[in-house]
Amino acid sequence: DAGVIQSPRHEVTEMGQEVTLRCKPISGHDYLFWYRQTMMRGLELLIYFNNNVPIDDSGMPEDRFSAKMPNASFSTLKIQPSEPRDSAVYFCASSLVRGGGELFFGEGSRLTVL
Amino acid sequence: DQQVKQNSPSLSVQEGRISILNCDYTNSMFDYFLWYKKYPAEGPTFLISISSIKDKNEDGRFTVFLNKSAKHLSLHIVPSQPGDSAVYFCAASARGGGADGLTFGKGTHLIIQP
Repeated sequence: DAGVIQSPRHEVTEMGQEVTLRCKPISGHDYLFWYRQTMMRGLELLIYFNNNVPIDDSGMPEDRFSAKMPNASFSTLKIQPSEPRDSAVYFCASSLVRGGGELFFGEGSRLTVL
Repeated sequence: DQQVKQNSPSLSVQEGRISILNCDYTNSMFDYFLWYKKYPAEGPTFLISISSIKDKNEDGRFTVFLNKSAKHLSLHIVPSQPGDSAVYFCAASARGGGADGLTFGKGTHLIIQP
């Protein structure tokens, strides 16, 4: 079975540009999460969805960040405009309904904003 | 304000010896705890978990201990092997084990010396 698929794996962009990160969760999983990993803050939850509906976006740092889940097999995280401090690894993860806390992570998208 | 703290950024252990990774938490509402393992350029993967109704859970070479009064948990790896070299994240949930709302620590980089 395919795991969580994220694209792109690496993105280098200039400050002010729009960035779109994509995620395909594991089929049948009802929860989808976006996390950001930095050296300073570790793994931070940005937003999560349940059955395609955003449940908690309190971790989204600013209005420059937005996330959508138009259907059960696709989600995007968009940053517009991007800033150097957004440089991080962004992980998407999915899980079954209240599946004991086990998240299945993608390989991450490493974003560098110059 | 870090609710889950891993105070050792790195730990070096001789192959064959015991590795002990520590994690402290501040939120008394946390009732489910997990450890994730992460290799470079990969997403974190679930390793082992423990519910607050237990004080120990064992899975092969991996054992997690929970001390609720001290708000402390630890992961023991015996014996340590070269493939155990990775970053280990401690995570906690306040929703009875549900996948929503996991709070992660910053991680501990475990290095197994040959």
